[in-house]
Amino acid sequence: QKEVEQNSGPLSVPEGAIASLNCTYSDRGSQSFFWYRQYSGKSPELIMSIYSNGDKEDGRFTAQLNKASQYVSLLIRDSQPSDSATYLCAVIPQGAQKLVFGQGTRLTINP
Amino acid sequence: EAGVVQSPRYKIIEKKQPVAFWCNPISGHNTLYWYRQNLGQGPELLIRYENEEAVDDSQLPKDRFSAERLKGVDSTLKIQPAELGDSAVYLCASSEQGAQYEQYFGPGTRLTVT
Repeated sequence: QKEVEQNSGPLSVPEGAIASLNCTYSDRGSQSFFWYRQYSGKSPELIMSIYSNGDKEDGRFTAQLNKASQYVSLLIRDSQPSDSATYLCAVIPQGAQKLVFGQGTRLTINP
Repeated sequence: EAGVVQSPRYKIIEKKQPVAFWCNPISGHNTLYWYRQNLGQGPELLIRYENEEAVDDSQLPKDRFSAERLKGVDSTLKIQPAELGDSAVYLCASSEQGAQYEQYFGPGTRLTVT
């Protein structure tokens, strides 16, 4: 079992709709969770971090964490074509001082 | 403020040749990371430096890969000899000490081994 798992997609969403991206992790002791966005040919950039159960909102982005289910999600409201990118879920496992990334989900927003 | 700088951006070499990548982190960032990102995958940590000390190199293939950060600022990652499977994007990232949750990535070096 991979430490961090994501559906590789591609996920296609019409412009203006809500895009929902999901991630599961294997280390139950993990405490820190992140979403990175990576445009094609570019480097990852941090867009959201979440550390406690529940929702965290930042503009059009909402991160959701459920530690009991070992599940993290990212919702993008009012999706725009500029949101088309690969979204990487990353976790810091318990006792580790490094990010462990999932394989990423490729998201396409259709105008 | 300048971001993480990497060079070269692209490199094409034949197998068995050596190759080196250079990284200059954000000023004041004591922690430096080298990642490898294969096509369609997320980045995988190769090595992490705290100042000039390699504190996590457990994922670095030590038979052919080496890295250094002699003065605790710039870093070089070397592969000798390169193999076809080394084709990937090599990313450098930096963060303030202890802030591994807030890493800033450089543009990466895309390596193609033929």
